[in-house]
Amino acid sequence: DTAVSQTPKYLVTQMGNDKSIKCEQNLGHDTMYWYKQDSKKFLKIMFSYNNKELIINETVPNRFSPKSPDKAHLNLHINSLELGDSAVYFCASSAQGTTNEKLFFGSGTQLSVL
Amino acid sequence: EDQVTQSPEALRLQEGESSSLNCSYTVSGLRGLFWYRQDPGKGPEFLFTLYSAGEEKEKERLKATLTKKESFLHITAPKPEDSATYLCAVQAGTNAGKSTFGDGTTLTVKP
Repeated sequence: DTAVSQTPKYLVTQMGNDKSIKCEQNLGHDTMYWYKQDSKKFLKIMFSYNNKELIINETVPNRFSPKSPDKAHLNLHINSLELGDSAVYFCASSAQGTTNEKLFFGSGTQLSVL
Repeated sequence: EDQVTQSPEALRLQEGESSSLNCSYTVSGLRGLFWYRQDPGKGPEFLFTLYSAGEEKEKERLKATLTKKESFLHITAPKPEDSATYLCAVQAGTNAGKSTFGDGTTLTVKP
C-alpha cells in the first residue's frame, strides 16, 4: 500500500489551462503539504494543512489554490497555467505538523506547461 | 530567513571509495536537521534526524553528524545502489512543520 499517493504522475498542458493534482495519505497523519521542486532539485514549501486548516501559505501566486476536504486528502488546483509553473510537485504528510517531524513524500507530479 | 547550502553539487565515486557530503545551515533556533534520499522519479525518503550539535546517527554505510553550523553525511565503502540525490533540510523553532531544503548533492557510484 502506498502511504502517500498523488495523481497524475505526469501532466502536460497548454498555457492558460486550469489543472488539478490530487493527493491522498493513508498514514493517519494530521498534516499535509505541497512542495515544488524545480529543475535544480530545489524543494520549496508552498502550503500546509493541519486537520483541514491552512497553516502555512508561502508566497505563492493566488492562481494556486489548495483544498483539503478531509485530513487524508489535499488537492492542488492551478488556474491559468504559465510556463514558469513547469516543475515537479510533491505532496507530503507528517504526523502532527510540529517541529522535528519527518516528512513522507508522494512520488511527485511532473507538470509541463507548453 | 533560514538557509541551507549543500556541497558538492555532484559527486562521482568508485565503488568502495569513501567520502562525505556537506550541509551548511543558517537558522534561528535549530529544532532539527534532516537527511533525505531521493531516487530519480521518486519523492524524497527519510534517512536521519539530528537534533543537537555532537549528535551522530548511522544506518548501514551512512553516518550523519551535526555541528552548530553544518552537518556531514559520511558514506563508507559506497555501492552503486547508494547512487541518488541526498537532500538536507532544517526546521527552526519559529516555523512549526516547515522544512527548508538545500539543493541536494547528486551522488554517482561507479562499479
